[in-house]
Amino acid sequence: QTVVTQEPSFSVSPGGTVTLTCGLSSDSVSTSYYPSWYQQTPGQAPRTLIYNTNTRSSGVPDRFSGSILANKAALTITGAQADDESDYFCLLYMGGGIWVFGGGTKLTVL
Amino acid sequence: EVQLVESGGGLVQPGGSLRLSCAASRFTFTTYWMSWVRQAPGKGLEWVANIKQDGLEKYYVDSVKGRFTVSRDNAKNSLYLQMNSLRVEDSAVYFCARYTISADAFDIWGQGTMVTVSS
Repeated sequence: QTVVTQEPSFSVSPGGTVTLTCGLSSDSVSTSYYPSWYQQTPGQAPRTLIYNTNTRSSGVPDRFSGSILANKAALTITGAQADDESDYFCLLYMGGGIWVFGGGTKLTVL
Repeated sequence: EVQLVESGGGLVQPGGSLRLSCAASRFTFTTYWMSWVRQAPGKGLEWVANIKQDGLEKYYVDSVKGRFTVSRDNAKNSLYLQMNSLRVEDSAVYFCARYTISADAFDIWGQGTMVTVSS
């Protein structure tokens, strides 16, 4: 069974830069997996941040960017703000109509 | 504003059934794949099912195959999830989401409906 891996938690200082990653237990992540990223605060629906590896969704600030780094999908937040403190989930397309989310990263800004 | 509104959640005993609904508004429902995603309490997101615009292609996560059925009524701009043989581990908030092919991502989300499976 394919497992999509994310760091369980990460911490960043206000104004700092952080890169969250999204990997596969049995393969390298490439653009062919159509990685996307979602932000979620407790009790709320997810918000789409990035799709197709590096395209920002409408209204998403440009301090959020997506890429492929060292065989993983990556979400970089440049100039972190207090309201970036959230859970972040990546999503990969496995083919055959099947999608798999990563376990999520809890980001703390302090 | 584009909107998805789920309903139908509640408390059900193990082995029971429940039907979730998702009402779509302010977009052309018939041109989009639609999806269900769930989140168990304190856990991450889990993709559950997708359905094509015409309802003829459907995909499911392995854990719900044979128990859950996704369907849609394009005349009513509505998406459904029929859940049978429910298990305790199916307890979660169920989100309806719009899948956009051009983005290969879920771009619009509902607020979710809670399903609790417990005796």
